[in-house]
Amino acid sequence: DAGVTQSPTHLIKTRGQHVTLRCSPISGHKSVSWYQQVLGQGPQFIFQYYEKEERGRGNFPDRFSARQFPNYSSELNVNALLLGDSALYLCASSHTGTYEAFFGQGTRLTVV
Amino acid sequence: KQEVTQIPAALSVPEGENLVLNCSFTDSAIYNLQWFRQDPGKGLTSLLLIQSSQREQTSGRLNASLDKSSGRSTLYIAASQPGDSATYLCAVARNSGNTPLVFGKGTRLSVIA
Repeated sequence: DAGVTQSPTHLIKTRGQHVTLRCSPISGHKSVSWYQQVLGQGPQFIFQYYEKEERGRGNFPDRFSARQFPNYSSELNVNALLLGDSALYLCASSHTGTYEAFFGQGTRLTVV
Repeated sequence: KQEVTQIPAALSVPEGENLVLNCSFTDSAIYNLQWFRQDPGKGLTSLLLIQSSQREQTSGRLNASLDKSSGRSTLYIAASQPGDSATYLCAVARNSGNTPLVFGKGTRLSVIA
């Protein structure tokens, strides 16, 4: 079975631009969460979606938004990029019941 | 507010040694605790999941324990190998389980051949 897949794996953007990151959960997983990880730190929670509804939001500015589609895939959008948005963005899906989280390989975003 | 601390921040051991990584959390009202492995620049690989009602879980050379009342978990790695070199992260989920994970900063492990 395929794991959590994220695209793209790497991208470079200029300050002020917009970016869209994509995530496909493990088949059968209805919950998708997004995390931001900067170098040397643990992942920080950004958003959680379950059954296409937002279930939680971390301490991130309104420039960050997300959505979940009927097939449970998800997008994370970031507007007006800042240098400080440079990080590894991780997507996780979890199994209803055990709630064990499985992560994708991440998207490395560099803002220049 | 839940806070997760991992000690030590970095660890270097010779191949073959048994080792213990520590994780502590401030709020004992957790649903589960997960240990992950992260290779440089890569995503997270789930190693072990311990539900709040469990005391330990084992997978191969890995054993994780949980003492919820004292807010502590340990990851024991037996007979370490150079391939075990990575950053190990622990994370807790509170309440119902379908909640965001709160992570520690990780322990960076180097196993020297």
